[in-house]
Amino acid sequence: DQQVKQNSPSLSVQEGRISILNCDYTNSMFDYFLWYKKYPAEGPTFLISISSIKDKNEDGRFTVFLNKSAKHLSLHIVPSQPGDSAVYFCAARLLYGGATNKLIFGTGTLLAVQP
Amino acid sequence: NAGVTQTPKFQVLKTGQSMTLQCAQDMNHEYMSWYRQDPGMGLRLIHYSVGAGITDQGEVPNGYNVSRSTTEDFPLRLLSAAPSQTSVYFCASSSRTSFLLAKNIQYFGAGTRLSVL
Repeated sequence: DQQVKQNSPSLSVQEGRISILNCDYTNSMFDYFLWYKKYPAEGPTFLISISSIKDKNEDGRFTVFLNKSAKHLSLHIVPSQPGDSAVYFCAARLLYGGATNKLIFGTGTLLAVQP
Repeated sequence: NAGVTQTPKFQVLKTGQSMTLQCAQDMNHEYMSWYRQDPGMGLRLIHYSVGAGITDQGEVPNGYNVSRSTTEDFPLRLLSAAPSQTSVYFCASSSRTSFLLAKNIQYFGAGTRLSVL
């Protein structure tokens, strides 16, 4: 039962254009959503996050949008650069047992930015 | 600036062998966790620890043991390796503040690629 889904395994965009990576979730109890970026042979690194009470968070070229009614979030990268080529994981934080929490990860989307 | 260090980077085992994947962090983080990454499955939580002496199971704990005797180290033991444990393993850590009060932003090691024949 995949609670966090990234339905596009890969995405290819031209340098300078917008990249839009999508993520859907099923559990309405998630309180934070995070995006991680992963280069080959490296561990994932945190990119940007959004609280479930917000609908937008922006950090430089990266913006995350949250649509709670649709249980959907998206990461926009504008303008896309070749160095953005990586696997992007969507993750959601689930609180349980008081303050204990865990991150549930999606399957990842491979972004290729063509020069 | 070591962050989270995992050793070894690569390992090949035969079915039934045991081994320990090492993980160490130098950020004084209380929370540490182990994930495995498999094609089409994303990262799945194996075990985690909220501090020295405290561990708990994640989504896929069977076949793995952990212990946390110090804040810095969180080894993952494969008791009797099986081909289904062929995967890339990531260790991650997070500060107590981030884990409890914020988003649980985790810092990941570079991973251990394990093949079980």
